[in-house]
Amino acid sequence: AQSVAQPEDQVNVAEGNPLTVKCTYSVSGNPYLFWYVQYPNRGLQFLLKYITGDNLVKGSYGFEAEFNKSQTSFHLKKPSALVSDSALYFCAVEGNTPLVFGKGTRLSVIA
Amino acid sequence: DAGVIQSPRHEVTEMGQEVTLRCKPISGHDYLFWYRQTMMRGLELLIYFNNNVPIDDSGMPEDRFSAKMPNASFSTLKIQPSEPRDSAVYFCASSGSNEQFFGPGTRLTVL
Repeated sequence: AQSVAQPEDQVNVAEGNPLTVKCTYSVSGNPYLFWYVQYPNRGLQFLLKYITGDNLVKGSYGFEAEFNKSQTSFHLKKPSALVSDSALYFCAVEGNTPLVFGKGTRLSVIA
Repeated sequence: DAGVIQSPRHEVTEMGQEVTLRCKPISGHDYLFWYRQTMMRGLELLIYFNNNVPIDDSGMPEDRFSAKMPNASFSTLKIQPSEPRDSAVYFCASSGSNEQFFGPGTRLTVL
């Protein structure tokens, strides 16, 4: 069965600094990997996905993620964090069944 | 498209009452998912449908929970009888390919 791990419950970063939110996965076969963001009192919003091709995937709001097959990781990154990036971020993997979500990482960007 | 539509947005009820949550997926999407989100348990997949047919309901917590999808544009999640531990935000999502599109959620409070 596929699974996703987000090892950090909380990530704090200063505005303007680069940010990384970590995700590792386990799946049989080739993974489909996703990042979603949830703002307060809202549903999850799709940020980006990796299906195949270039290991560096660019998504919405300046976010990108790097697929690393050898480390089974799909970390979310942004070169310069904004206060408005503060939210709950979910990594997800699709294998033989629909998306399995991680527990989420709360990102706080401090001005 | 208006996106995934859920109603009601908020529901407050008393223990023992029947609760019905409604969802209208994005037109043309053939997958529909029901999730529950709480602080303690995070995001849980309850059930999902493909072409109106329930595929996996292993996440439904108890027999008090039931879900139907009578047609491609409508689904319900019913809790009967409701209990205080059912208090959560319930999300509906639909998908036509890989990424899922989430509704705004229904915040359920059972007193």
